[in-house]
Amino acid sequence: AQTVTQSQPEMSVQEAETVTLSCTYDTSESNYYLFWYKQPPSRQMILVIRQEAYKQQNATENRFSVNFQKAAKSFSLKISDSQLGDTAMYFCAFMNPNTGNQFYFGTGTSLTVIP
Amino acid sequence: GAVVSQHPSWVICKSGTSVKIECRSLDFQATTMFWYRQFPKQSLMLMATSNEGSKATYEQGVEKDKFLINHASLTLSTLTVTSAHPEDSSFYICSARDGLAGPGWAQYFGPGTRLLVL
Repeated sequence: AQTVTQSQPEMSVQEAETVTLSCTYDTSESNYYLFWYKQPPSRQMILVIRQEAYKQQNATENRFSVNFQKAAKSFSLKISDSQLGDTAMYFCAFMNPNTGNQFYFGTGTSLTVIP
Repeated sequence: GAVVSQHPSWVICKSGTSVKIECRSLDFQATTMFWYRQFPKQSLMLMATSNEGSKATYEQGVEKDKFLINHASLTLSTLTVTSAHPEDSSFYICSARDGLAGPGWAQYFGPGTRLLVL
């Protein structure tokens, strides 16, 4: 199994501010995908953003963007203009398409947006 | 969009009984389904991968005789927890991949099933 590490168990941010969640991973593969998933209290997993390892350009989805540093094996998520609905658990995930497409998740970061 | 359902959403059972959880892809053919387990305030841990029509592949440390997985059709996978004990109480989540028409990276998660063993 791949190792995915999220070093921030809990974080908080003021509404409308920006917050960055960290993620590092360990792999010897060159082709893989990285994801950020959101899990609100309903516990439904929601895809926030994905990054293909072969793409140098960082992915963006509206208020969400990533800083993908392949050599450092780092994949952080930046949330801009934080909203109360962003309060949730956030999981970083790794997927290798060449070995069965399994997802390996990090330990998660609990984000609270403070009004 | 692709929808995955799980049934039941909540189940309580007595210790020693078996419980079956269903995972269905509603609008696509799921060639591969994955089962995860999530303890409170913890991450999703991959338990097994099932491909339609073949035996499931279990992650290291997961007892295949305890967690029976069947993927007999392209829309249904089942996880049976046999002889359940209180330590099996957890949140079980499935995900499904459309290996025929969807992008390779796309997996769709079910809403999860909360199991409580008394």
